[in-house]
Amino acid sequence: GENVEQHPSTLSVQEGDSAVIKCTYSDSASNYFPWYKQELGKRPQLIIDIRSNVGEKKDQRIAVTLNKTAKHFSLHITETQPEDSAVYFCAASSHGSSNTGKLIFGQGTTLQVKP
Amino acid sequence: GAVVSQHPSRVICKSGTSVKIECRSLDFQATTMFWYRQFPKKSLMLMATSNEGSKATYEQGVEKDKFLINHASLTLSTLTVTSAHPEDSSFYICSARDQTSGRRYEQYFGPGTRLTVT
Repeated sequence: GENVEQHPSTLSVQEGDSAVIKCTYSDSASNYFPWYKQELGKRPQLIIDIRSNVGEKKDQRIAVTLNKTAKHFSLHITETQPEDSAVYFCAASSHGSSNTGKLIFGQGTTLQVKP
Repeated sequence: GAVVSQHPSRVICKSGTSVKIECRSLDFQATTMFWYRQFPKKSLMLMATSNEGSKATYEQGVEKDKFLINHASLTLSTLTVTSAHPEDSSFYICSARDQTSGRRYEQYFGPGTRLTVT
C-alpha cells in the first residue's frame, strides 16, 4: 500500500540555523505533497505544499523541493526561530479521476529550536 | 474561508457506550471528507474517506462496524464510535476538500475531538 517515510524523527537546531526534513513516498501516482506544522493538541496547519509539476517552491523562510524520479521531497526552514518549534508532518496524495486525494502522512519530526 | 468545525472538542464516556463526533464544513460544500485518528506523539492515521450520499471507504484494519461514518449532506459528516473501549481513546480529526476552489487539492482540518473512554 501507500507509504510515506519521514526523517529524522527529532531535530534540534540553534536559533538562526537551518533545518531540513526529508520524506520519501512509495506511490508513483502521488502528485500533491503538503507539509504541516502541528502544535500540541491542535489541528495540523498547512505551511507549504507542492504539486508534482514543479520541483521547488519557496515562501519566505520555508522551501520545499521535490524529486519525482527518486520519490523524495524535503522541507527546508532557514533562519529558524524558537516559535518554529513544533511537530512537522509531510504527506502525499494522488488526485485524478479515480483518486479521492486521501493524504498519507509521514511519521512526524519534532523540531526544537534552541534560543 | 474554508473553515471546518468539529463537535464536541472533548468527550469522556464510559466503556460500552457510543459517541458521535460531528464534522462540518462551514463555508463550502464538501463531497469528500476524511477521518483520522492520532495517538499521543504519533502521526495522523487515515481511518476512512467519507463520501456524500454513499458508503464510506475504510482503510485496511479499521473496523467499519465499530466506526460508523455517515455523510448525509454536503456540509456534515459524522463518526460514531460504537461500544467504545479504553483503547479507542484518541484524538480524532476530520478534514474536508473544497473541490470547487482554486486550491482543490488542499485539505482543511477540523480542530479535533479528544475522546477519553473510562
